[in-house]
Amino acid sequence: EPEVTQTPSHQVTQMGQEVILRCVPISNHLYFYWYRQILGQKVEFLVSFYNNEISEKSEIFDDQFSVERPDGSNFTLKIRSTKLEDSAMYFCASRYGTDTQYFGPGTRLTVL
Amino acid sequence: SQQGEEDPQALSIQEGENATMNCSYKTSINNLQWYRQNSGRGLVHLILIRSNEREKHSGRLRVTLDTSKKSSSLLITASRAADTASYFCAPYPGGYQKVTFGTGTKLQVIP
Repeated sequence: EPEVTQTPSHQVTQMGQEVILRCVPISNHLYFYWYRQILGQKVEFLVSFYNNEISEKSEIFDDQFSVERPDGSNFTLKIRSTKLEDSAMYFCASRYGTDTQYFGPGTRLTVL
Repeated sequence: SQQGEEDPQALSIQEGENATMNCSYKTSINNLQWYRQNSGRGLVHLILIRSNEREKHSGRLRVTLDTSKKSSSLLITASRAADTASYFCAPYPGGYQKVTFGTGTKLQVIP
């Protein structure tokens, strides 16, 4: 069965550094999403992306965050200047039409 | 917000027993999805039920949907220790909109 993949599985960075989290959505999917989950808390929506533009973003997704689909297969989340509170598990998801929204295995981001 | 709210928040049962989790949501949906999350791991899709369906089965899973009450239930029959996880319902409104998650039901199956 096709799956969403994410790299790296774990990223450790220093506060203030830029990080790029990478995702490869399922190939024929049209809708792409990023979520995050701070340890012990619920999964929170960050941003949705459709037709090469952001369709919705949450309050969490401020100017420090950006998304890009640079080549038709990858979908990236960039955090420009990481803060301690950005430490979380980040999940990418994709969907085709109104069907199942599939999630990747996540990238654990640790900001020191 | 279209997030689902799961009930109970926690459930502890013996292996072999059935586990029932409930979900309520607020606005109209295109479909509703159930996910499982093992501690610290990813979200695994379990089953999708469309708004025009009332019941759906997949292996040991049975999902019901009552759109008039805006509620759904997930039944896991003959539970196993490996079913220990958090379970989330995710109402999906349609279009490009996202699924959103509540706090889930934390299921513990005791061997």
